[in-house]
Amino acid sequence: GQQLNQSPQSMFIQEGEDVSMNCTSSSIFNTWLWYKQDPGEGPVLLIALYKAGELTSNGRLTAQFGITRKDSFLNISASIPSDVGIYFCAGQLLGNQFYFGTGTSLTVIP
Amino acid sequence: SAVISQKPSRDICQRGTSLTIQCQVDSQVTMMFWYRQQPGQSLTLIATANQGSEATYESGFVIDKFPISRPNLTFSTLTVSNMSPEDSSIYLCSVAGTAKSYNEQFFGPGTRLTVL
Repeated sequence: GQQLNQSPQSMFIQEGEDVSMNCTSSSIFNTWLWYKQDPGEGPVLLIALYKAGELTSNGRLTAQFGITRKDSFLNISASIPSDVGIYFCAGQLLGNQFYFGTGTSLTVIP
Repeated sequence: SAVISQKPSRDICQRGTSLTIQCQVDSQVTMMFWYRQQPGQSLTLIATANQGSEATYESGFVIDKFPISRPNLTFSTLTVSNMSPEDSSIYLCSVAGTAKSYNEQFFGPGTRLTVL
């Protein structure tokens, strides 16, 4: 199936730094979702976006639905050690099919 | 969001045997999915579990190897049949189409399968 291109693949940052990751596709999506997965757990939904240009925050997390509807980004401000994990984007087309990005592994150095 | 439980949480199985994984949701949902995730990899959709009819399988996955049931709107099972070490993976159940969040997908905790 289709996969979304997510970058960067991995990040190593100092605690307190801001983080930015993005997701791009050749297809237009109706919904963009961002997840975080901790080791040994299922992905947890962080933010859902429904409209082109929409900017949504959840605490220190901010995500935007790209104007072209083919991309989205996630920012994490003032990172802390518990932000460590793998972040996945997901896009939904009409017909309810969801497609997942390749993931961004985040390591926060105290 | 929906609360999703999976059983078992993990298992170690012998080659050639089968394992059935159960997924239970705390509310009725429109869609249920089964994914496989190799360590350090993204999620690969196995199939969409359809209530009252045969599951819809993605390319590379077949019903004989991964039979799926969905008897109602809150429960589904995935069987991994005639297992081989290549089937060692994390299997995740997910749901979408809850009463409050139609376009959001929620995941269960996963089942970690090791095949010897």
